[in-house]
Amino acid sequence: GEDVEQSLFLSVREGDSSVINCTYTDSSSTYLYWYKQEPGAGLQLLTYIFSNMDMKQDQRLTVLLNKKDKHLSLRIADTQTGDSAIYFCAEREGTNAGKSTFGDGTTLTVKP
Amino acid sequence: NAGVTQTPKFQVLKTGQSMTLQCAQDMNHEYMSWYRQDPGMGLRLIHYSVGAGITDQGEVPNGYNVSRSTTEDFPLRLLSAAPSQTSVYFCASSDAGRGSEKLFFGSGTQLSVL
Repeated sequence: GEDVEQSLFLSVREGDSSVINCTYTDSSSTYLYWYKQEPGAGLQLLTYIFSNMDMKQDQRLTVLLNKKDKHLSLRIADTQTGDSAIYFCAEREGTNAGKSTFGDGTTLTVKP
Repeated sequence: NAGVTQTPKFQVLKTGQSMTLQCAQDMNHEYMSWYRQDPGMGLRLIHYSVGAGITDQGEVPNGYNVSRSTTEDFPLRLLSAAPSQTSVYFCASSDAGRGSEKLFFGSGTQLSVL
């Protein structure tokens, strides 16, 4: 079946850039997502990229997609303490948004 | 706009008890899903539905039942709770058409089975 893998932890200093990486196995993925989960809360969609795109920028967030290597990354510029959270990479199977596969999450810690 | 509403937020059960986790959405979304999140792990899909009257199994369906009698509601039933079902449960929904790239999540139900 489909698999999504991420590194588990990342620690950066406030003001630095953070880069969270993800690899996936499903070559038929149509959308790839980044979600943010703060303690005790549900998942919040941060951004997504369609599989025919290489890059998407949204304010401090930059998503890079290497479809050949099935590698997705999320760059957060000027990381703030409020960015500390768990970040989940996810891919969607075909056209069915109800059946997304998630990675295990990367815990981002931002030190002042 | 309420979005996706899950109840209860917290629940403690004894082994063997049954209960239903409720999920409702007011966005007229066709797709709805249930996920469980275990410590240090991502979300694993339990069951999903592509519309009223249609459900299908996800990655970890054993021990759970679902039904979808209306577009708005997608309850998850635990028939005989086991300690292995201690987890945080999330319901999500998505539109089938425009904007269907987005999943909207509820705030979760924390379930403990003793």
